[in-house]
Amino acid sequence: AQKVTQAQTEISVVEKEDVTLDCVYETRDTTYYLFWYKQPPSGELVFLIRRNSFDEQNEISGRYSWNFQKSTSSFNFTITASQVVDSAVYFCALSEPYSGGGADGLTFGKGTHLIIQP
Amino acid sequence: DSGVTQTPKHLITATGQRVTLRCSPRSGDLSVYWYQQSLDQGLQFLIQYYNGEERAKGNILERFSAQQFPDLHSELNLSSLELGDSALYFCASSPRADGNQPQHFGDGTRLSIL
Repeated sequence: AQKVTQAQTEISVVEKEDVTLDCVYETRDTTYYLFWYKQPPSGELVFLIRRNSFDEQNEISGRYSWNFQKSTSSFNFTITASQVVDSAVYFCALSEPYSGGGADGLTFGKGTHLIIQP
Repeated sequence: DSGVTQTPKHLITATGQRVTLRCSPRSGDLSVYWYQQSLDQGLQFLIQYYNGEERAKGNILERFSAQQFPDLHSELNLSSLELGDSALYFCASSPRADGNQPQHFGDGTRLSIL
């Protein structure tokens, strides 16, 4: 079973629309960390946000906002008033550093390809 | 600019060959991670080093190995290369190894096996 599921493979919207990218995760740990990364067409991976399992406060950064709900194991990402420059692949990732073996590596979802049309 | 430097940016080689990918972490970061991104497998964690010692292994093949040197740079060695090893290989770094810090990624090395 996938530990991080991004069910939306591709989303296409017109500029200025709001768009939400879904992320559902699976873990047995009580302490874990969730991340969002952006991969623009140029290929690099850009860190957007980190959230720990004890902090369920939603966060807003400019046009970006994140909604973390432990009850539904979801960590969704909303872009308000989307712009063409937001076009990229967005990855949700999970870190479970206290699992057996102490693996600190990130488990990524398959990514959502977001296309913002002008 | 993430501060993580990977070289080379592109590498083209043939099946059966061996290559070495290099990574310099951000200044002050002790932990280095290697990831592979391919079309069929997506982004996969390979291995982590912390302050020179291997910390965790992910889906790393036996043909692959890595090390972290005293100056904290890391190298990923890929041997007996197969067509399926063609991928984008990322290095990332973080200050510690507790999962609490974001990992910052380099621009990647694109490996093409002919």
